[in-house]
Amino acid sequence: DGGITQSPKYLFRKEGQNVTLSCEQNLNHDAMYWYRQDPGQGLRLIYYSQIVNDFQKGDIAEGYSVSREKKESFPLTVTSAQKNPTAFYLCASSSRQASSYNSPLHFGNGTRLTVT
Amino acid sequence: SQKIEQNSEALNIQEGKTATLTCNYTNYSPAYLQWYRQDPGRGPVFLLLIRENEKEKRKERLKVTFDTTLKQSLFHITASQPADSATYLCALESLGGSTLGRLYFGRGTQLTVWP
Repeated sequence: DGGITQSPKYLFRKEGQNVTLSCEQNLNHDAMYWYRQDPGQGLRLIYYSQIVNDFQKGDIAEGYSVSREKKESFPLTVTSAQKNPTAFYLCASSSRQASSYNSPLHFGNGTRLTVT
Repeated sequence: SQKIEQNSEALNIQEGKTATLTCNYTNYSPAYLQWYRQDPGRGPVFLLLIRENEKEKRKERLKVTFDTTLKQSLFHITASQPADSATYLCALESLGGSTLGRLYFGRGTQLTVWP
């Protein structure tokens, strides 16, 4: 079945360490996204990529980095510069392109990161 | 600043009744509005999309309305069932300026349907 796979489901790190969250999709979607979800807040966009080898900052990109070397993969690195990294991270993809903005997002089931 | 508000964080209704969830927005000019369902510990799942020139959209027991004058969308679940219990998110997509093609999400409304 086609879908988005995020791994691991739970991740624990010590403060000061960088950590990379995996996101893979086999939907042949061009666009991929990373959102962060905190209790009582809506999803906030971290980074997005509309095509391989290109990505843009979202609303809360500070302390995060991404790469898009392959269409299927969009890993997110949470660096030690991120001040409040503990959160639920969601990866999504869509088939939208520049001429079509009404494609829904397909989400993975998230990675819950805890930094102590 | 731009804002999306979903009515009360939690809504509790009895099985068989109609659940109505509200999404209000300010300082947006959305071209599309989408509704998603999210279960605990899972990613959101897309339910319905409505365009700015559409007044109403239906899918099985779900109905969405979109009033650009009131800047509001209503999401209805008729004949609700305990299995409908989840958090429902609305999301706006604007086609203007720096927000081109991006989705903005509300905080969600947690719906509980009790037997």
